[in-house]
Amino acid sequence: DSGVTQTPKHLITATGQRVTLRCSPRSGDLSVYWYQQSLDQGLQFLIQYYNGEERAKGNILERFSAQQFPDLHSELNLSSLELGDSALYFCASSVAPAGGLGAETQYFGPGTRLLVL
Amino acid sequence: DQQVKQNSPSLSVQEGRISILNCDYTNSMFDYFLWYKKYPAEGPTFLISISSIKDKNEDGRFTVFLNKSAKHLSLHIVPSQPGDSAVYFCAARPPIQGAQKLVFGQGTRLTINP
Repeated sequence: DSGVTQTPKHLITATGQRVTLRCSPRSGDLSVYWYQQSLDQGLQFLIQYYNGEERAKGNILERFSAQQFPDLHSELNLSSLELGDSALYFCASSVAPAGGLGAETQYFGPGTRLLVL
Repeated sequence: DQQVKQNSPSLSVQEGRISILNCDYTNSMFDYFLWYKKYPAEGPTFLISISSIKDKNEDGRFTVFLNKSAKHLSLHIVPSQPGDSAVYFCAARPPIQGAQKLVFGQGTRLTINP
């Protein structure tokens, strides 16, 4: 157990709908990351927050948005869903936003499996 | 544009032998490389990392080798154990001030046979 929790575990919805995925980081971690893993693909970085502030953005679609709240939990909002958005969405957390002399270890949650029908 | 590639989707190794997982990258600016391990229904777990200024890092049974001229890294597991059966992802970090945006490969499924 990494200490990162994600809800819900599974989500089935229809095209055109909007969903919200939730992530609670490990106790003490200030940085949160979101990744998307489509079938047979590696993890694609979506976005990083640190203490409520956006720090880095990947190829996140305009239909997707995220935020980190004062209690440090984060939500990823996916709207106007398409079939191709079906994927595993992972949240990860770390203490600092980036490593100093080393890479900052990211701790991953178990993921939310989204199926768009 | 796949900046980090793991060309072998799967690998099967006998228990007790060496497992070698490979990864190639295209961006010479990456400053750190990491390996993550993933079991079914779980998130990836950090395994080992290496700085771009080193060519080897060892942690117990796991050793990562970096060949910068070839833009290639490999993970060696010796000896391989049944619990090592998992999907292994290599990842690379572009140097971004105050942020960490990892670029992952597609993963290699390692199966250790008894």
